[in-house]
Amino acid sequence: NAGVTQTPKFQVLKTGQSMTLQCAQDMNHEYMSWYRQDPGMGLRLIHYSVGAGITDQGEVPNGYNVSRSTTEDFPLRLLSAAPSQTSVYFCASAPGQGFRYGYTFGSGTRLTVV
Amino acid sequence: EDKVVQSPLSLVVHEGDTVTLNCSYEVTNFRSLLWYKQEKKAPTFLFMLTSSGIEKKSGRLSSILDKKELSSILNITATQTGDSAIYLCARAISNFGNEKLTFGTGTRLTIIP
Repeated sequence: NAGVTQTPKFQVLKTGQSMTLQCAQDMNHEYMSWYRQDPGMGLRLIHYSVGAGITDQGEVPNGYNVSRSTTEDFPLRLLSAAPSQTSVYFCASAPGQGFRYGYTFGSGTRLTVV
Repeated sequence: EDKVVQSPLSLVVHEGDTVTLNCSYEVTNFRSLLWYKQEKKAPTFLFMLTSSGIEKKSGRLSSILDKKELSSILNITATQTGDSAIYLCARAISNFGNEKLTFGTGTRLTIIP
């Protein structure tokens, strides 16, 4: 029962570097999304996908790219890391829209940009 | 504006007390309201509410939605130290046929033994 798997768990980047945060789910969920969590800010939606080949922006998409080539995977790419992107990143999935079953969250990636 | 506001921001009570956490939202294409509990890592799903006045209950936790007041409460009775966590409220909205969640900043609940 893997659920939602995020890698890596921790990462330190230098300003200007790029990297990809991985997210994979084995529940055949259609809906996947990326959130960042900052102190006092709650969870903010970065990008989301309602199915393979379909993505859309959330409320804080700048500096991030996503793609959804398969149902299982939804990687988040940081194009040129900035200190403002220091945060905890969560990937989440759901069986479909309507959130009838709630989201299943991954365990998070703690990213520090220096 | 797409806001979800939770109160209080933090709460410290003694074991055995009853607590009420509040969540208010702004209505635009409202679909449902969800509650999550976040301990050390990932949030875990508690309740989803879509209809006003119908209480959802799970053990010592219960929640109800008031669509007229654009708000929801989460009650925890006979609190235990294991209830210490951040409780997140989220509103699901429909955006051109696609739905997404907007989270509040959370209420940090601390239970003192």
